[in-house]
Amino acid sequence: AQSVAQPEDQVNVAEGNPLTVKCTYSVSGNPYLFWYVQYPNRGLQFLLKYITGDNLVKGSYGFEAEFNKSQTSFHLKKPSALVSDSALYFCAVRSDRGSTLGRLYFGRGTQLTVWP
Amino acid sequence: DAGVTQSPTHLIKTRGQQVTLRCSPKSGHDTVSWYQQALGQGPQFIFQYYEEEERQRGNFPDRFSGHQFPNYSSELNVNALLLGDSALYLCASSSDENYGYTFGSGTRLTVV
Repeated sequence: AQSVAQPEDQVNVAEGNPLTVKCTYSVSGNPYLFWYVQYPNRGLQFLLKYITGDNLVKGSYGFEAEFNKSQTSFHLKKPSALVSDSALYFCAVRSDRGSTLGRLYFGRGTQLTVWP
Repeated sequence: DAGVTQSPTHLIKTRGQQVTLRCSPKSGHDTVSWYQQALGQGPQFIFQYYEEEERQRGNFPDRFSGHQFPNYSSELNVNALLLGDSALYLCASSSDENYGYTFGSGTRLTVV
């Protein structure tokens, strides 16, 4: 069965400091991994994805994520946080095969707060 | 290039009623998926439509049904509404070629 864990409900960082939002996953087959951001009362905005290739993926708004197969992790990072980065972040996974092909499994989300 | 469009944005219904939500996919996308996001939770997969057929279904009762039209747009229908159906309903479009999923802004359904 596919699943995603985001172990931290909340992450708080000061503006200008680096940020990390953690994600681990479980999947049958090879994983396709995604990060989305959600602002209040809005849908999900795509940040980045890992399908294959380089383990370090660069995405929108200066975010990046590192795929670690041995640790089954896909942590989201940014070198210097902005107050405007404050939002709810979701990690998602899908398998490349099987009966659940094409279905995304989401974590519970991590609320990121960046204070000035 | 228009993204995913959902309507209506907000909806209030009474228990036992029926509701229809609508979704127009991003240009070039032929697959539509629906997700339910309850308050404080991550989105949960309801079902996916491709070539006007339900291709996959999550753990939702038969009260939840859908349809995809020849132009790839889709509807989500929920019958016999329960208070627990109150949630943000998200539509995502995709195509198998690019592995990308584009989400709409959602429909906020409140059942009273």
